[in-house]
Amino acid sequence: EAGVAQSPRYKIIEKRQSVAFWCNPISGHATLYWYQQILGQGPKLLIQFQNNGVVDDSQLPKDRFSAERLKGVDSTLKIQPAKLEDSAVYLCASSPLAGVSDEQFFGPGTRLTVL
Amino acid sequence: GQNIDQPTEMTATEGAIVQINCTYQTSGFNGLFWYQQHAGEAPTFLSYNVLDGLEEKGRFSSFLSRSKGYSYLLLKELQMKDSASYLCAVRERNDYKLSFGAGTTVTVRA
Repeated sequence: EAGVAQSPRYKIIEKRQSVAFWCNPISGHATLYWYQQILGQGPKLLIQFQNNGVVDDSQLPKDRFSAERLKGVDSTLKIQPAKLEDSAVYLCASSPLAGVSDEQFFGPGTRLTVL
Repeated sequence: GQNIDQPTEMTATEGAIVQINCTYQTSGFNGLFWYQQHAGEAPTFLSYNVLDGLEEKGRFSSFLSRSKGYSYLLLKELQMKDSASYLCAVRERNDYKLSFGAGTTVTVRA
């Protein structure tokens, strides 16, 4: 079974530039998550999709961050414009919609450096 | 809201046992997860507890006390490859959302 795919793996941009990350979840997984993990901290949920609908985006800085999950499969996360404090690893995870014990499967992440 | 606390770092010797504690204060509780994260890699699932007691899975065991808001992850017969960060995460409601602690970095020395 293929895992969660993310691209790019690394990205370096200057502040005020824009950047986009892509995620392809495990086939058949209804729920998709984007997390931000700052160095030395645990992952922080940015947005949660169930199929192509948003379940929770309460911690998404909506003035600069946006995300979409067209057709309920792939997802993109965009930052526009980027700030220095956005430097972090952006993790995508997915889980099947079967039960509350379902683990989340994480992708390798995109490491963003904002200069 | 949620408050999830775990020690920042722990060091142990190869072959030994290490216990990583996690305390939480959340508005609801619907399960506690432990994930392992090697440096530069994605977190991988280790264990899930929703009822009080001990869950054993090979060299790793996880314990939960809901009344105390407390869990621990026990790593036995430590190996060098166990050097990683261990993340405690709580699911507050029945909507799959997880809140993570900052992680405990375990260093295994020869």
